[in-house]
Amino acid sequence: GAVVSQHPSRVICKSGTSVKIECRSLDFQATTMFWYRQFPKQSLMLMATSNEGSKATYEQGVEKDKFLINHASLTLSTLTVTSAHPEDSSFYICSAREEDRFFTDTQYFGPGTRLTVL
Amino acid sequence: GENVEQHPSTLSVQEGDSAVIKCTYSDSASNYFPWYKQELGKRPQLIIDIRSNVGEKKDQRIAVTLNKTAKHFSLHITETQPEDSAVYFCAAGGSDSWGKLQFGAGTQVVVTP
Repeated sequence: GAVVSQHPSRVICKSGTSVKIECRSLDFQATTMFWYRQFPKQSLMLMATSNEGSKATYEQGVEKDKFLINHASLTLSTLTVTSAHPEDSSFYICSAREEDRFFTDTQYFGPGTRLTVL
Repeated sequence: GENVEQHPSTLSVQEGDSAVIKCTYSDSASNYFPWYKQELGKRPQLIIDIRSNVGEKKDQRIAVTLNKTAKHFSLHITETQPEDSAVYFCAAGGSDSWGKLQFGAGTQVVVTP
């Protein structure tokens, strides 16, 4: 099956610093990737849709200047949490949409990044 | 937008019994319904999905049924095993060009030996 990697798996940073998270589709090209946030024992909350070669589309309530998304190639999307604060601590998961001739909606998830802001 | 409700929130079953999780959705334009299994601290794994042109799909011990008229779909796990213990999420999508999914709240399934 399709494989998605995410790096780093865990990061601890001081308040006010910026953190970059990478999401890669390893064996397929992904025009569209998605970024989710997941709180403990809760569901996946879609933050933004990342489109290769164009601006990301953010969900209502998500600050685009706070969560910068860049989708520079068909296999890489990055999420940068700028000026991180303790309330940004969470589990961030990306997914990549595998597109083929028939089924265009299948999303495969990365392993997630646990962000802790001190 | 789409709204997905999932029930129950927790489900305890005896090993060997069946487990059923139900979801309802609101957007009649949704046409893709995947189910994901997530173990603690790990990524969600796609276990089965169904598209609106079929009413049922089966893969070994797992099956999904879809009722488009009533806008609900269900996951059925038969002959449950301890390794089936996890959180299961349903999702609905396909109504937009990006393939966005709206997830249910999740069901914690515990299979006791």
